Amino acid sequence: GQQVQQSPASLVLQEGENAELQCNFSTSLNSMQWFYQRPGGSLVSLFYNPSGTKHSGRLTSTTVIKERRSSLHISSSQTTDSGTYLCALALNTGNYKYVFGAGTRLKVIA
Amino acid sequence: GGIITQTPKFLIGQEGQKLTLKCQQNFNHDTMYWYRQDSGKGLRLIYYSITENDLQKGDLSEGYDASREKKSSFSLTVTSAQKNEMAVFLCASSIGGPVFFGKGTRLTVV
Repeated sequence: GQQVQQSPASLVLQEGENAELQCNFSTSLNSMQWFYQRPGGSLVSLFYNPSGTKHSGRLTSTTVIKERRSSLHISSSQTTDSGTYLCALALNTGNYKYVFGAGTRLKVIA
Repeated sequence: GGIITQTPKFLIGQEGQKLTLKCQQNFNHDTMYWYRQDSGKGLRLIYYSITENDLQKGDLSEGYDASREKKSSFSLTVTSAQKNEMAVFLCASSIGGPVFFGKGTRLTVV
């Protein structure tokens, strides 16, 4: 089965609204990272967060290992937040295989 | 800080052609990765390597070869390009923590 599942697949927000993006995984992990990507653009690392909570401006990442989930919270969304958000994991399988979720496509409208 | 350099940035090939993509990193990272990203989709792991001369298959290795000639470089070969194929190939590296990405090679097959 799929090792990394992201939800929702897509989301449309009115500017100023908050969003919660989820990443669920099937086994324990070694490493967890959130990325942002504009259409046709490069991957931008937002957080490296294998456990706990981290903040960066309007963004907050929380990883709860025993619940096998990580979330990305966007507060007071802006049109420039539009794009795809991807989570990536290195699972605790004794190797270094880094796998990605399918992403959440976010559109923020003015 | 380090950098990952992918060459070429754009690659146009013909059906059936063998095509090679190159990646160099100066982070001194042990592990390197090749991913494929199709338009509007997530990243799929093709090959990864945990040290010089090591190769590990990802979920999408069929149709590709890879070579880790030295610690700093990792090459990917498309063994027979498929007509109308269009994708971005992303190289990444890691030392067990966060993963860092190059800007990608955009492949078009005519």
